[in-house]
Amino acid sequence: AQKITQTQPGMFVQEKEAVTLDCTYDTSDQSYGLFWYKQPSSGEMIFLIYQGSYDEQNATEGRYSLNFQKARKSANLVISASQLGDSAMYFCAMRESMDSSYKLIFGSGTRLLVRP
Amino acid sequence: DTGVSQDPRHKITKRGQNVTFRCDPISEHNRLYWYRQTLGQGPEFLTYFQNEAQLEKSRLLSDRFSAERPKGSFSTLEIQRTEQGDSAMYLCASSLIAGGLEQYFGPGTRLTVT
Repeated sequence: AQKITQTQPGMFVQEKEAVTLDCTYDTSDQSYGLFWYKQPSSGEMIFLIYQGSYDEQNATEGRYSLNFQKARKSANLVISASQLGDSAMYFCAMRESMDSSYKLIFGSGTRLLVRP
Repeated sequence: DTGVSQDPRHKITKRGQNVTFRCDPISEHNRLYWYRQTLGQGPEFLTYFQNEAQLEKSRLLSDRFSAERPKGSFSTLEIQRTEQGDSAMYLCASSLIAGGLEQYFGPGTRLTVT
């Protein structure tokens, strides 16, 4: 079974508007971490935001916020005030604490295109 | 802090040839990961090192793949007898063992097997 599901292959957003990228996950671990990474066309994975499973508040980093709904097992990324430079692939990933390697399990990604 | 670097950035090789990629992690990071990313997919875990010890290998890592991290610094990933299915982006990431929340990724090596 897929552990990370991103159901939106592609999204469009108008510059300066907000956009939500969906991510659902599946784990039996009680302690886990959820990450969002941005991958521009250059290929490098850029860390954006992290949410721990025991964090009571939703994580925020500048224009990025993570809408964490534990009961629904969702961890959606919200980008406010979109900029042209936000056009990229976005990946949701999970790390399970019972896995001592702390390897990341990624979803298939969402391609975001910001329109001027 | 110069970040994670990878070399080469691009590699084109003919089927059956051997290739080797190098990754230099952030200097104080003791964990190093290799991932493979095929077109339209997210990265998939291949293997990781803690210092110089290779602690886990994915089933994706066939016998033609070998990775090393001598002295716990840089790492190399070698693919022998390349096949067209090996064409992908190979990403390296590093992190600290404890307290390191995120993995820092390098720019990747894009391999094309013709």
